[in-house]
Amino acid sequence: NAGVTQTPKFQVLKTGQSMTLQCAQDMNHEYMSWYRQDPGMGLRLIHYSVGAGITDQGEVPNGYNVSRSTTEDFPLRLLSAAPSQTSVYFCASSYGSSRGPQHFGDGTRLSIL
Amino acid sequence: KQEVTQIPAALSVPEGENLVLNCSFTDSAIYNLQWFRQDPGKGLTSLLLIQSSQREQTSGRLNASLDKSSGRSTLYIAASQPGDSATYLCAVKDQESNQFYFGTGTSLTVIP
Repeated sequence: NAGVTQTPKFQVLKTGQSMTLQCAQDMNHEYMSWYRQDPGMGLRLIHYSVGAGITDQGEVPNGYNVSRSTTEDFPLRLLSAAPSQTSVYFCASSYGSSRGPQHFGDGTRLSIL
Repeated sequence: KQEVTQIPAALSVPEGENLVLNCSFTDSAIYNLQWFRQDPGKGLTSLLLIQSSQREQTSGRLNASLDKSSGRSTLYIAASQPGDSATYLCAVKDQESNQFYFGTGTSLTVIP
């Protein structure tokens, strides 16, 4: 079982560059979400989606875009990278109801110079 | 907005000891609460999920309880082992926002 797959695992960008972090799940989960994890701050929700074609903002959405064209994929786009976006990014998925746990990918470690 | 707090932030215990990790949240209107384990440089591994209608869940040496009305959950680890050393995170799924909120975790070290 692949579960939740994130690519790339590591990335270094220059300020102002754009990039897309990929997330795919093979569990037919309706709910997908992106978090960033920073020291001392815990995990903070960036964007989430309750199904294909539906996205919504989380706690820290500024500077990020998402789309959900299929159930399986939920890419996160950095529009113009800033040093403050240096972080570890995690994608997670779960069933849309409360019945199932969240499953996490292994994370993408992103550095913005 | 939910505020999730985990106390203590760090804990060091000798091998074999039983221990309790605490998680509190500010709004009792939750769908569920989930406990995770995170090893350094790794992703999150789900340990236990407690639905809002449940009081506890058990898996092996782990037992998680939920008191929704008081906004508290505990994770009990029996007979701790060095392999249990990791950061333990709790998260609640808030009913009003349909979003997950995480605590900042408890870093556990089990000394051989």
